Amino acid sequence: KQEVTQIPAALSVPEGENLVLNCSFTDSAIYNLQWFRQDPGKGLTSLLLIQSSQREQTSGRLNASLDKSSGRSTLYIAASQPGDSATYLCAVPSGGGSQGNLIFGKGTKLSVKP
Amino acid sequence: DTAVSQTPKYLVTQMGNDKSIKCEQNLGHDTMYWYKQDSKKFLKIMFSYNNKELIINETVPNRFSPKSPDKAHLNLHINSLELGDSAVYFCASSQEFRGEKKLFFGSGTQLSVL
Repeated sequence: KQEVTQIPAALSVPEGENLVLNCSFTDSAIYNLQWFRQDPGKGLTSLLLIQSSQREQTSGRLNASLDKSSGRSTLYIAASQPGDSATYLCAVPSGGGSQGNLIFGKGTKLSVKP
Repeated sequence: DTAVSQTPKYLVTQMGNDKSIKCEQNLGHDTMYWYKQDSKKFLKIMFSYNNKELIINETVPNRFSPKSPDKAHLNLHINSLELGDSAVYFCASSQEFRGEKKLFFGSGTQLSVL
């Protein structure tokens, strides 16, 4: 059974710092991996999707890497800003294909202090 | 022009009542979902509907029933509400394209059962 874990559960950094969020999954036979952002009182926004054949994806100040063999992904945020404060979740489809429902980690709550 | 909208945003009700949460998506997606986020922020799939057919039904109580009047709507009806049903419920939709299936989430409905 696929399990997704995110470390740390919470992170507080001063503005301008570069930071890394970690995600690990127990079954390496994943089709892809997504990183989401959740703002309080709002839904989830998809940030990056990495296919199993890819090693990383970039969007602006965000860079997500994927190491399937070790069951890990990282989300790198460069030059953090207060507006980056949110909960970040990673998720993988269950069953190894693209059709499975997403299995989510519990998220990392990020707070960027001005 | 909201992509996935769900109502109400907040729902406070007594134990034993029956309630519904509505969800609509204007993205033309063929699959819609309901997720439950508990007090520990763990997000878990409840149902998904594809072309008006239930394709995934996780082990949720049969007091919960998804109803899809058409492709753009997936409502969640809950009978005989219990204290443990208190959570945030998220609707989502997706469309697979070239092996990628990004989910778009609604802003959530916070259900409080008293």
